[in-house]
This record gives sequence, structure tokens and C-alpha cells, in this order.
Amino acid sequence: DGGITQSPKYLFRKEGQNVTLSCEQNLNHDAMYWYRQDPGQGLRLIYYSQIVNDFQKGDIAEGYSVSREKKESFPLTVTSAQKNPTAFYLCASSIGTGGNEQYFGPGTRLTVT
Amino acid sequence: GESVGLHLPTLSVQEGDNSIINCAYSNSASDYFIWYKQESGKGPQFIIDIRSNMDKRQGQRVTVLLNKTVKHLSLQIAATQPGDSAVYFCAENSGDSSYKLIFGSGTRLLVRP
Repeated sequence: DGGITQSPKYLFRKEGQNVTLSCEQNLNHDAMYWYRQDPGQGLRLIYYSQIVNDFQKGDIAEGYSVSREKKESFPLTVTSAQKNPTAFYLCASSIGTGGNEQYFGPGTRLTVT
Repeated sequence: GESVGLHLPTLSVQEGDNSIINCAYSNSASDYFIWYKQESGKGPQFIIDIRSNMDKRQGQRVTVLLNKTVKHLSLQIAATQPGDSAVYFCAENSGDSSYKLIFGSGTRLLVRP
């Protein structure tokens, strides 16, 4: 089956620890994205990558980092510098040139205490 | 499951009635628009999209209308069913060379049996 996967579904961490969220796609998409969603709000763009080995900051990149070493993978690290990391994190991908539709993964709920 | 849209605008409709969800956008350069459905605890799912060279597009039980003059987008759902209960997001592309989408804040649709 083709698709985009995120793991784990739920993640718990202590304050002060870095944590990495996984995102993998087998759709052969060039572009990948990370969004943060808080209750009562829409999706806010953290980082995006339009091609392997390249990525750009979105609207709320502070306290986060990413890498794009492989086309299929776009992991997100939530660092201890992120002041309010508890949220629902969504990864998406799109074909890139010629296609704007983004396909979303199931999300990871991160709780930091 | 994940709680999304605790404070979102809510549209309540009777099962079998038609639903209309509205969205305003601000970027005149946007030329692609898309509607997503998000159920609690899940990632957004594609419903329908439309390009700016069209003003109407129909899918199965759904229709998207685009009014570029007043920068307004609407999603019509015919014969609304309980399974349509979810949060609905509109999104537009950024109109530049990136592949980014800009998401609206969402509307919760509740279907009364």
C-alpha cells in the first residue's frame, strides 16, 4: 500500500528532553511538510522540504529541527528550546512540481510534562 | 482520540439536509484551492480541489464554489450523513514558487440524527 506513515501515534517525554518524530512516505513525492495543530486551531507550518537535502523554515520553526537525507523520510526533532511542545504533529507530502495536493499522515500526539 | 477544533465555528445540520461551509481567503495570487476533512484524532483527508480558472467543481455529494471577485470559497455537501461529522479546512496555495498550502482555521460540522 502506498501512503505516508508517522510513528508513534502517542509520545510522552519529560521537559528538557529532545524528541524525534518519524515521517515516512512511499509515494515517491518530492515535497514533505511538518505541521503543528493545537486544539481550536488550524494547521501551522513548521518546516517544509521541496527536494532531498534541502528544507526551509515555515511559520513556527523556532525550537524545531529537521533533516531530509532521503526522499522517503523527513524526521522532525522537537528540541528543549520549544517552549510549548505539547501538540498534535502532522506530516504531509506532495508530488512537487505540477501538484499541490498534500497527503497527510495519521499524526503523532506529543505530550511533554 | 485527539481533540481538534474545541473552539472552532460549528455548523449543525439535520441528517439528510444539505450543508454549506464557507471560507474566505486573502491572497490574490493563489490559484489553487482545496478542502480537507479531519476526523478526531486523524490526519486531514482530501475532499475536493479547484483551480482558479474554474468557478465550480463537483464530486460525489460535494461541490466546491470559487468566487474570485470576493475571495470566497464554499463547500457544499448534499444529503449530509452522520459520517460527515468532522472538522473541515479550506486551504490555498501560496501563489509563489513554493509548494506550500495556507490553511484556514476550520469549521466543525455536526450532523444531528
